[in-house]
Amino acid sequence: QLQLQESGPGLVKPSETLSLTCSVSGDSISGSTRYWDWIRQTPGEGLEWIGSIYYSGSTHYNPSLKSRVTISVDTSKNQFSLNLNSVTAADTAVYYCARLTWAGSVVSYDYWGQGTLVTVSS
Amino acid sequence: SSELTQDPAMSVALGQTVRITCQGDSLRTYYASWYQQKPGQAPVLVIYGENTRPSGIPDRFSGSSSGNTASLTITGAQAEDEADYYCNSRDTSYKHLVIFGGGTKLTVL
Repeated sequence: QLQLQESGPGLVKPSETLSLTCSVSGDSISGSTRYWDWIRQTPGEGLEWIGSIYYSGSTHYNPSLKSRVTISVDTSKNQFSLNLNSVTAADTAVYYCARLTWAGSVVSYDYWGQGTLVTVSS
Repeated sequence: SSELTQDPAMSVALGQTVRITCQGDSLRTYYASWYQQKPGQAPVLVIYGENTRPSGIPDRFSGSSSGNTASLTITGAQAEDEADYYCNSRDTSYKHLVIFGGGTKLTVL
């Protein structure tokens, strides 16, 4: 059974960098033809796609966050990571990692981490 | 980028049928996928593609699509179906951009 687990600080100061890691078990990132994504949800609000990474390392980012986001993969640890710099209170959210399956005209997130709340505050 | 529009809130009587809709230009190209999210939990995929349920999802959940509108139908709603429901698809202008609807809060009366 595939499992994803987010880890990282729950509190980040304004202007600093938010760093999270997603550990994957039950599937190999390097052997997968799927994308590995970060998604966030602000308190009481909807879902916002942050970006994707393919096992090859190719990345795609939400244009609204692109200047501040870096997603990377460590296939040796079967992990992928999110860095979001210059954070403000508006970046306070629950951050999810998830596996994206893209087959023709269908895109779906079939596995999600449990989510981790990151608060931006001094 | 494209947008997906959902009604913010809906209600359904226990045992009755409810249809939750998602509208957007991208749905003319891509199928919507649907997620159920209960408080404090991660979203769970309930429908993807034309009308496919992942393993473990009850058959009272079904999906359909017409033009720019996708629908999630719950036939015989149960108390445990009370949740937020989100649709998603790809953006048609920037195909690697994933977009979500704003979500529909479903209350089972």
